[in-house]
Amino acid sequence: GQNIDQPTEMTATEGAIVQINCTYQTSGFNGLFWYQQHAGEAPTFLSYNVLDGLEEKGRFSSFLSRSKGYSYLLLKELQMKDSASYLCAPEGGGATNKLIFGTGTLLAVQP
Amino acid sequence: DVKVTQSSRYLVKRTGEKVFLECVQDMDHENMFWYRQDPGLGLRLIYFSYDVKMKEKGDIPEGYSVSREKKERFSLILESASTNQTSMYLCASSSISYNEQFFGPGTRLTVL
Repeated sequence: GQNIDQPTEMTATEGAIVQINCTYQTSGFNGLFWYQQHAGEAPTFLSYNVLDGLEEKGRFSSFLSRSKGYSYLLLKELQMKDSASYLCAPEGGGATNKLIFGTGTLLAVQP
Repeated sequence: DVKVTQSSRYLVKRTGEKVFLECVQDMDHENMFWYRQDPGLGLRLIYFSYDVKMKEKGDIPEGYSVSREKKERFSLILESASTNQTSMYLCASSSISYNEQFFGPGTRLTVL
């Protein structure tokens, strides 16, 4: 089967660092996306990992371990505007290679 | 600026009505998707299409149908709306060469 596991909620302080973990089991796998979704808005692309290791993009970094079925999103120098849901979405592989979305982690950044 | 647009941001319908949700993308993408999003359940795929006139069922197709007559347009149809179809509906598109999905702003549908 296919399963995505992320924490439901997290809280962090402005200026701090937070790591959002995602474990996945999919019947196929090509890569993994992270999306950010503010309340009432559409998801927007944050990062994409194909190879093992860390991809850094400004304050946001994403890590992938294909052998462990594990990824994390690292947010540094947290700002209030980072309060949002973060969705882990592995590519399921196969002919259609759809994204499989987790339920998301709701991050609350406090002053 | 790339764009996916949806016909309505908010929609209120009565039980039993036929409902059309329209999605248009301007990126010449082959793939288009319809999701619904409910609290605690995340994004669930209803239907997707990888070409004009082609469609595939997603995880929760019951009670829905779709139409793709033109490459840029993908419609979701609720043949007879029910209260359990009250939800946020999100359309997305992607190219065949790269799987990043671009989302529309969403339609919040309420069925009374």
